[in-house]
Amino acid sequence: DIQLTQSPAFLSASVGDRVTITCRASQGISSYLAWYQQKPGKAPKLLIYAASTLQSGVPSRFSGSGSGTEFTLTISSLQPEDFATYYCQQVDSYPRNFGQGTKLEI
Amino acid sequence: EVQLLESGGGLVQPGGSLRLSCAASGFTFSSYGMSWVRQAPGKGLEWISGVSTSGGNTYYADSVKGRFSISRDNSENTLYLQMTILRTEDSAVYYCAKGDRGANNYYLDYWGQGIVVTVSS
Repeated sequence: DIQLTQSPAFLSASVGDRVTITCRASQGISSYLAWYQQKPGKAPKLLIYAASTLQSGVPSRFSGSGSGTEFTLTISSLQPEDFATYYCQQVDSYPRNFGQGTKLEI
Repeated sequence: EVQLLESGGGLVQPGGSLRLSCAASGFTFSSYGMSWVRQAPGKGLEWISGVSTSGGNTYYADSVKGRFSISRDNSENTLYLQMTILRTEDSAVYYCAKGDRGANNYYLDYWGQGIVVTVSS
């Protein structure tokens, strides 16, 4: 099974900051990686797929990069609504594991 | 508008069974892969099962393999998760999620609101 390791687990930041979250895969997954945002009590929301493609309707301050085993999610200028938990997920093979999550706090 | 509506959750005793349903609308259900993802209280997301467009190919996480069964009825636009031999650690919010394509490597672009399953005596 492919394991995904996110870092950091917790991130404190302020409105306007630029933040980066990293997701490392235990083996190469090409670009088969997604990023999701989840707010408390809500279902996850797809932000980025294929490592770097922005899902329709997602603000352009979100961006993704990487391939193989190392991936990053960057938020260029944090907005109040961005404080949430972020997960990566690989879709290269089954089981389609998620990372353990990164909680972004004010 | 894409809608996914889960039902069938609730309280069940350890060792019991439960069947979750996910009624889909707003898209051509038979053209997309589908998955179930769960989240235990205070924990992260856990992918547990996926199914191909036809229902002919099914996939499971090790944690549920042999106990859970995913299926779909394309004529009724409904996804199912049959859960048996339930354990306390299966207690979670269960989400139905739609793939963004019919191909195998699909991303989850729409999610249901989630349904609570509690396994307790």
